[in-house]
Amino acid sequence: DAGVIQSPRHEVTEMGQEVTLRCKPISGHDYLFWYRQTMMRGLELLIYFNNNVPIDDSGMPEDRFSAKMPNASFSTLKIQPSEPRDSAVYFCASSLSAGVISVFGPGTRLTVL
Amino acid sequence: AQSVTQLDSQVPVFEEAPVELRCNYSSSVSVYLFWYVQYPNQGLQLLLKYLSGSTLVESINGFEAEFNKSQTSFHLRKPSVHISDTAEYFCAVTLQGAQKLVFGQGTRLTINP
Repeated sequence: DAGVIQSPRHEVTEMGQEVTLRCKPISGHDYLFWYRQTMMRGLELLIYFNNNVPIDDSGMPEDRFSAKMPNASFSTLKIQPSEPRDSAVYFCASSLSAGVISVFGPGTRLTVL
Repeated sequence: AQSVTQLDSQVPVFEEAPVELRCNYSSSVSVYLFWYVQYPNQGLQLLLKYLSGSTLVESINGFEAEFNKSQTSFHLRKPSVHISDTAEYFCAVTLQGAQKLVFGQGTRLTINP
């Protein structure tokens, strides 16, 4: 298994631009999580899905952030418009409902200038 | 709601010395506990977990952690560290039956030769 796949690995954009981060979970996993990691706030859960349905989006910072999971093998996290304070590493993770163990992707390092 | 406190943000030790990384949690109900490791510029990897049974759990690379319910702790230990153990270590908790992980702030372990 290739593990959780995230793209791009690095993204540099200018303030005001739209940013889309992508994630492919491990095949068969029915939970998908989006986390953000910053020096100031550590690891924060933004949103998670179960069977493609958003369950808890209370961690999404504001309306500029949105996430979708159109099918079991793909999810996106979109920031529109982006701001410098969105600069962080964004991780996607997936898990089996029976397993309780989250497998993390390598992350996307986002820099907003 | 549950929370996790990692008491040390940084721990410097010499190679082959023992190390303990401290983790305390708060929860009014039963939990599952995890340690994740993040090597430089990589995603998080599961190091070990406590779900039930023996309160002492071990990883394949010599780390161990003990679940102490009375002290609400899950400290991570290794009797002799190696340079390759240099990484950031995250303690995490989830409610039994839930999928949502809550992470501590992380402890940066630095190994000096």
